[in-house]
Amino acid sequence: GAGVSQSPRYKVAKRGQDVALRCDPISGHVSLFWYQQALGQGPEFLTYFQNEAQLDKSGLPSDRFFAERPEGSVSTLKIQRTQQEDSAVYLCASNGAGGSSYEQYFGPGTRLTVT
Amino acid sequence: AQRVTQPEKLLSVFKGAPVELKCNYSYSGSPELFWYVQYSRQRLQLLLRHISRESIKGFTADLNKGETSFHLKKPFAQEEDSAMYYCALSRLQGAQKLVFGQGTRLTINP
Repeated sequence: GAGVSQSPRYKVAKRGQDVALRCDPISGHVSLFWYQQALGQGPEFLTYFQNEAQLDKSGLPSDRFFAERPEGSVSTLKIQRTQQEDSAVYLCASNGAGGSSYEQYFGPGTRLTVT
Repeated sequence: AQRVTQPEKLLSVFKGAPVELKCNYSYSGSPELFWYVQYSRQRLQLLLRHISRESIKGFTADLNKGETSFHLKKPFAQEEDSAMYYCALSRLQGAQKLVFGQGTRLTINP
């Protein structure tokens, strides 16, 4: 079956522009995670949804970052007024049956470059 | 604080030699430990988790709570093992956010 998909795969934004990154999780997956991966680093947690509820947004670096999952499937990560330090790969992961599932399935990522 | 440390950014070994990728963690409580792998031009995927205690592609990892380590080992490296390896932890049970180390790039030389 289809895995997690993300779009666009590459995004170049001028500093100050707003961007929106999309994640399509595996169908039926309850949990959805966003991570930010800077060059040469491991992924860092940004935020977590269970269905449409955003249960943890402790990793969002500033109030310029906003995520939503209004119908409990597709999620969008929005970054307002992008800065150079926002340049990174943004990874989305989904996870199945909630309480008992452990494996996160990752998308290919969106590489954001802010110039 | 939750932290995962992978002390080696790069590791290079010859085909057929043993491999050990180091991972140390700090966590208050009982974590679940994972190894994720990213092959060239592929997405990040789970390799193994400590609770399952299984061997995947010849790799094993034992959780040592005394040393707070979860090193990944393989007795005989193969060229197809060349990849980026990330150690990660989460809270035990259920869908939980992952805390990753910075990763180790493993290169197997022919």
